Amino acid sequence: DADVTQTPRNRITKTGKRIMLECSQTKGHDRMYWYRQDPGLGLQLIYYSFDVKDINKGEISDGYSVSRQAQAKFSLSLESAIPNQTALYFCATSGGGVTDTQYFGPGTRLTVL
Amino acid sequence: AQSVAQPEDQVNVAEGNPLTVKCTYSVSGNPYLFWYVQYPNRGLQFLLKYITGDNLVKGSYGFEAEFNKSQTSFHLKKPSALVSDSALYFCAVRDRVDSSYKLIFGSGTRLLVRP
Repeated sequence: DADVTQTPRNRITKTGKRIMLECSQTKGHDRMYWYRQDPGLGLQLIYYSFDVKDINKGEISDGYSVSRQAQAKFSLSLESAIPNQTALYFCATSGGGVTDTQYFGPGTRLTVL
Repeated sequence: AQSVAQPEDQVNVAEGNPLTVKCTYSVSGNPYLFWYVQYPNRGLQFLLKYITGDNLVKGSYGFEAEFNKSQTSFHLKKPSALVSDSALYFCAVRDRVDSSYKLIFGSGTRLLVRP
């Protein structure tokens, strides 16, 4: 969905480095999410935010932190990257309501050497 | 606890034939159910969702899904497959009583449509 953008699209880094992944959306949604995708495991929720002042841990938040700078921006940080954080990372947004359908960005492929 | 199962890692079908991608779920209450598709090097794209009402839900690109409460299933179907349908498909569920609005994804099924 072109309304949700992620930068960078690809990143190779070394163990121990700090890295930030950024997500921006123009959908006007209040809710934003970070997922990681590993082969055969589907998507796992890292963090989610229902508004600028509301941040919640997901299933696999250890080793990650987030920042909700504005309604439209939600960043994911790896303070000290490790190889098992090598994965595809997706940002998503949703507008609330009855079913709260989520819309995804194109993903960031992160490799930690 | 909520869960979703996609029992097939891969589904192979010939172009023009009908396709089915299976999904079963487990929730404590009534479910909201979703299907997403992921094309190579792309994010997940929303295909369709079940809220309530008619058990047959129609979505994008000619896909439809049938909600079956007794079998706790939400299988994705298409009457005539296209080569361009080849992609990774994810089923997802949210329990209506879960105030966290957490969406639980299946592990994905790769659909391969051969010419």
